[in-house]
Amino acid sequence: ETMMTQSPATLSVSPGERATLFCRASQSVSTNFAWYVQKPGQAPRLLIYSASTRATGIPTRFSGSGSGTEFTLTISSLQSEDFAVYFCQQYDNWPPTFGQGTKVDI
Amino acid sequence: QVQLVESGGGVVQSGRSLRLSCAGSGFTFSRYTLHWVRQAPGKGLEWVARVSFDGSKKYYADSVRGRFSISRDTSKNTVYLQMNSLGPEDTAKYYCTRDQSPGYSRGWFPYWGLGTLVIVSS
Repeated sequence: ETMMTQSPATLSVSPGERATLFCRASQSVSTNFAWYVQKPGQAPRLLIYSASTRATGIPTRFSGSGSGTEFTLTISSLQSEDFAVYFCQQYDNWPPTFGQGTKVDI
Repeated sequence: QVQLVESGGGVVQSGRSLRLSCAGSGFTFSRYTLHWVRQAPGKGLEWVARVSFDGSKKYYADSVRGRFSISRDTSKNTVYLQMNSLGPEDTAKYYCTRDQSPGYSRGWFPYWGLGTLVIVSS
């Protein structure tokens, strides 16, 4: 199965700063790739699919890029509600697999 | 709006069985592929199983194949996950998720329920 490796495990930033999260796939997944955010006690929420398409209702401060094996999620100016855990997912190879998560905290 | 409500979780002894349910509303249930995804406490996400919109195709993660069975009942707008031979490694919150588009599975998960917690005690 395709292993997804996220870095860093924890990212400490201040409100208003830019945050960049990374995800690497063990084999090419083309752009069949998604990002999710999860707050404590809540279900994951889809942010990005097809590597760079924002899901419905997602603010423009979130942007995704990459293809093949290297992907990036950028949050241009962190808001208080963005402090959470972010997961990546590939759906190009069977079975769909997720990264272990990056925690964004203050 | 799309709603998915899971139920059936609880504490169960190792080796026993449990059946989870997920009731869908706010969409035409019979047109969408549905999945179960689980998350062990403090851990990442693991895709578990998927059932096609018409129930004809079912797929499983290697970790549960042969022990878990997914099914759906369109008359009740409900998808089930029958879990047998449970072990401590199955302890997790189990989420029901729906695909983006009707028909075939696109691969990402825009809709999630709140999840139901399964604890397997040894």
